[in-house]
Amino acid sequence: KNQVEQSPQSLIILEGKNCTLQCNYTVSPFSNLRWYKQDTGRGPVSLTIMTFSENTKSNGRYTATLDADTKQSSLHITASQLSDSASYICVATPGDNFNKFYFGSGTKLNVKP
Amino acid sequence: GAGVSQSPSNKVTEKGKDVELRCDPISGHTALYWYRQSLGQGLEFLIYFQGNSAPDKSGLPSDRFSAERTGGSVSTLTIQRTQQEDSAVYLCASRTQENTEAFFGQGTRLTVV
Repeated sequence: KNQVEQSPQSLIILEGKNCTLQCNYTVSPFSNLRWYKQDTGRGPVSLTIMTFSENTKSNGRYTATLDADTKQSSLHITASQLSDSASYICVATPGDNFNKFYFGSGTKLNVKP
Repeated sequence: GAGVSQSPSNKVTEKGKDVELRCDPISGHTALYWYRQSLGQGLEFLIYFQGNSAPDKSGLPSDRFSAERTGGSVSTLTIQRTQQEDSAVYLCASRTQENTEAFFGQGTRLTVV
């Protein structure tokens, strides 16, 4: 069964600290994986995308990694800011249907001053 | 428009009433999705439109839910005889046929009282 699981469900960190969010997927065949950021009351916005052949992708202070063998991805946030407080959603696209997206339930990050 | 636009932003309705939610996708985007996001939950797929093809309605939770996409652009999600469990944020997303990145609207927060 195609699934995406994220951990932790929620996380509280102090401003300036780093954190890592985890995503495990069972989507097969696999095409690509995206991380989205969803601010409260807003729609999700794409941060990074990685195909099965890519191991890492950075977008400013956000760095995503992908291990296609273990079907795991992580999103590392460096030097967190208050504006990083949001939900982070992992989304996998299968290789046999580019119209389909499998969403994780998200990690809710709260950055405190 | 510059982004996906949804209206209304918020809707409060009485149980048993019908509601219509509107989505204006990004111009030129042939694919359009509707998702539902309950409080603290992940995105639940509802329906998908791609060009002139028959829509994928496999995610609609009951026959009270229906959606149309007129002229390959604007879409309307209709919920008949609303129930309290229909309360959620309804998100619309669109994308081009070639790109798997889906661009989301800000959502419509539906509250059934």
